[in-house]
Amino acid sequence: GAVVSQHPSRVICKSGTSVKIECRSLDFQATTMFWYRQFPKQSLMLMATSNEGSKATYEQGVEKDKFLINHASLTLSTLTVTSAHPEDSSFYICSAWTQGDNYNEQFFGPGTRLTVL
Amino acid sequence: KQEVTQIPAALSVPEGENLVLNCSFTDSAIYNLQWFRQDPGKGLTSLLLIQSSQREQTSGRLNASLDKSSGRSTLYIAASQPGDSATYLCAVLYSGTYKYIFGTGTRLKVLA
Repeated sequence: GAVVSQHPSRVICKSGTSVKIECRSLDFQATTMFWYRQFPKQSLMLMATSNEGSKATYEQGVEKDKFLINHASLTLSTLTVTSAHPEDSSFYICSAWTQGDNYNEQFFGPGTRLTVL
Repeated sequence: KQEVTQIPAALSVPEGENLVLNCSFTDSAIYNLQWFRQDPGKGLTSLLLIQSSQREQTSGRLNASLDKSSGRSTLYIAASQPGDSATYLCAVLYSGTYKYIFGTGTRLKVLA
């Protein structure tokens, strides 16, 4: 299957700083990418849909000014957590959507663990 | 509201047992359903993807079935091994959207 990478895999930062997480589709182009968040012992919750060349669509309850998403190319989407606080500590996972002749499929990245001190 | 529920939330079995994990969804208009495995602190590993036109998929000791009319999918694991211990997540892609809705997960522990 197609490969999606995330960088960094783990980041620790001080409260009040901003953190950027990259999501890349390595061997395919993805017009749409998705960002999920997973708190400990909970399932994945969709945060936003990232469309190449246009503004992201955020799920209800997700602050767009806090979680900045940029999808500048067909292979890269970035999520920036601005002014991070300890409650933002979580596991962030992206996925990239691709369309074949007979299917639509999403491929998931390995995740980024963010710890805010 | 489109929801996905998994039962049981946790399961502990002795090695060698065959087991079934359940996933139910509220809307039968789905595009596909995917089963994932997640090890502690790790990302997702895709196990099986079932398109809406399919009734089951098999990979090794794993078999996933799909019954859209009843809103259910099951993941069958044959001859369980300690290495199967992980959290298993079911995710549904509803028609008309490109967003997966994830279930609450089943934490499986296989005892040696």
